[in-house]
Amino acid sequence: NAGVTQTPKFRVLKTGQSMTLLCAQDMNHEYMYWYRQDPGMGLRLIHYSVGEGTTAKGEVPDGYNVSRLKKQNFLLGLESAAPSQTSVYFCASRTGRTSSGNTIYFGEGSWLTVV
Amino acid sequence: RKEVEQDPGPFNVPEGATVAFNCTYSNSASQSFFWYRQDCRKEPKLLMSVYSSGNEDGRFTAQLNRASQYISLLIRDSKLSDSATYLCVVYAAGNKLTFGGGTRVLVKP
Repeated sequence: NAGVTQTPKFRVLKTGQSMTLLCAQDMNHEYMYWYRQDPGMGLRLIHYSVGEGTTAKGEVPDGYNVSRLKKQNFLLGLESAAPSQTSVYFCASRTGRTSSGNTIYFGEGSWLTVV
Repeated sequence: RKEVEQDPGPFNVPEGATVAFNCTYSNSASQSFFWYRQDCRKEPKLLMSVYSSGNEDGRFTAQLNRASQYISLLIRDSKLSDSATYLCVVYAAGNKLTFGGGTRVLVKP
């Protein structure tokens, strides 16, 4: 009963380093999302995907890239990390096939610090 | 103007009291509405969907006012464990899910 799993959960990066966050879901969901949440702020959409092989930009895409090569995985990449990317990152997914498919399920979050 | 707005609070609520707060949305074509609960340093979790006729789940009541474009959440008989941030989520056509900034509720003994 894994649901949405994110790895790693915690990471400290130096400015300019690159890294990839992995999101995996075992619910056969079509839609997947990457959000960031900064202290005292709401969730902001970085990128999203409406199906395998597709990606689209969200509200704050700059500095990030994504890939959805397999339906169950959605990867978020930081090519050259900056301190402004210090945040908590949440992956989420939903099925979208039915009216009840608008329920969105979240991973537990990945805490990223860029020094 | 933000697409989805919430009073950030905090709402300081005595244990056992009732608290209510709203979420306003700007897109009149919005189709589905939800309330999520987020505990400190945790992921958001679905609290309840919001139906046109209003709906209740135990001590929680959600209402939708399409004319004024807002949804509301009411918590009766507040428990200490209700302390959390409550996020409203609005879904519009085109796979657009928009989160409000959250309303923080602190229930105190």
